[in-house]
Amino acid sequence: EAQVTQNPRYLITVTGKKLTVTCSQNMNHEYMSWYRQDPGLGLRQIYYSMNVEVTDKGDVPEGYKVSRKEKRNFPLILESPSPNQTSLYFCASSTTGNEQFFGPGTRLTVL
Amino acid sequence: AQSVTQPDIHITVSEGASLELRCNYSYGATPYLFWYVQSPGQGLQLLLKYFSGDTLVQGIKGFEAEFKRSQSSFNLRKPSVHWSDAAEYFCAVGARYGNNRKLIWGLGTSLAVNP
Repeated sequence: EAQVTQNPRYLITVTGKKLTVTCSQNMNHEYMSWYRQDPGLGLRQIYYSMNVEVTDKGDVPEGYKVSRKEKRNFPLILESPSPNQTSLYFCASSTTGNEQFFGPGTRLTVL
Repeated sequence: AQSVTQPDIHITVSEGASLELRCNYSYGATPYLFWYVQSPGQGLQLLLKYFSGDTLVQGIKGFEAEFKRSQSSFNLRKPSVHWSDAAEYFCAVGARYGNNRKLIWGLGTSLAVNP
């Protein structure tokens, strides 16, 4: 089954404790992206990747890092999480970046 | 600046009634347009898309949408709503910024369905 998977689905952590949210797709898509969803602000792009080893900032990259060492994986790294990063995070993949397929989301709470 | 507006924050309809969710966009070039649905606790599922051609597009779950360039609109419709359609609906425009092709999102319309 073609899909985008994210782990973990739910995470509660404390300020400053490094964490990684994994994202994997099995559709051989070149384009991958991370979004965060917040009430009243909608979905905003954090980072995107056009291909392996090619990543760039989206609209709200501060406090986040990404890597793209393999085509299928695009982990989101929070080196020192803060409470304002409490959000619902979505990973997406696409052949071209237009029609994007989304993972199930990761709900992160930073205390 | 490119933007997407969904004028209705919340809509309630009765099961079996028809539905129309509004979406207006601002984008300089020919837009790629999408409707996604998000059920409670779920991810975002693509309902339908418009890239070019026929301005009336059919999607999954009995939904359709019509692209009207003159009105900069891409309204979502369904002739008869089912209780399982209760969800959050998002309209999005596919925009290109250099190498980045990202989605610009509306803030969503929450749909409630009365039995």
